[in-house]
Amino acid sequence: DIVLTQTPLSLSVTPGQPASISCKSSQSLLHSDGETYLYWYLQKPGQSPLLLMYEVSNRFSGVPDRFSGSGSGTDFTLRISRVEAEDVGIYYCMQSLYLPYTFGQGTKLEIK
Amino acid sequence: EVHLVESGGVVVQPGGSLRLACAASGFSFADYTMHWVRQAPGRRLEWVSLITWDGARTEYRHSVRGRFTISRDNSKNSLYLQLNSLRIEDTALYYCAKGDNQYGFDYWGQGTLVTVSS
Repeated sequence: DIVLTQTPLSLSVTPGQPASISCKSSQSLLHSDGETYLYWYLQKPGQSPLLLMYEVSNRFSGVPDRFSGSGSGTDFTLRISRVEAEDVGIYYCMQSLYLPYTFGQGTKLEIK
Repeated sequence: EVHLVESGGVVVQPGGSLRLACAASGFSFADYTMHWVRQAPGRRLEWVSLITWDGARTEYRHSVRGRFTISRDNSKNSLYLQLNSLRIEDTALYYCAKGDNQYGFDYWGQGTLVTVSS
């Protein structure tokens, strides 16, 4: 199975400050069609996951532009330019190139 | 607006069976691959199974293959997961999720809790 390793596992951020989460894959997530099947989700406390980014760097509908994604191959990053209180929760990366689809272990974002 | 509502989660003994259901609305259900994803307490999300729009193809994670069966009824906009020979380690919140070739899992239900305990 593809292993996705996220770092850090937790971070505490002052509102208005940036935050960055890394996701490293055990294999390249680049498909022969040219797309990279890496996604980011946010699971707010007590809620189901919400899609933030698809195919590495594309914001899903309604996602604020303070969220951005980057990376290629095996190394990916989710950045929040200015953290807000509503951003608290657990962030997961996910790959859908290989079965079984797999998720990272999650990064818990807290507000200072 | 897309809505996915799971049901059927209960407390069951090891070796027992149950069927989960997911009622879909707000999109053309028959056009999309659907998935089940689970989350054990304090653990990461874990993909369980998928079924293509027409039911022609199903896939399972290794640990549930042969015990779980995914199905759908497009006439009822419903997705199902039959869970047999349940184990303690199957205890989790089970989510149904809408699949999309571009968006991955773009919408999720609120989940239904399966507890396997003696």
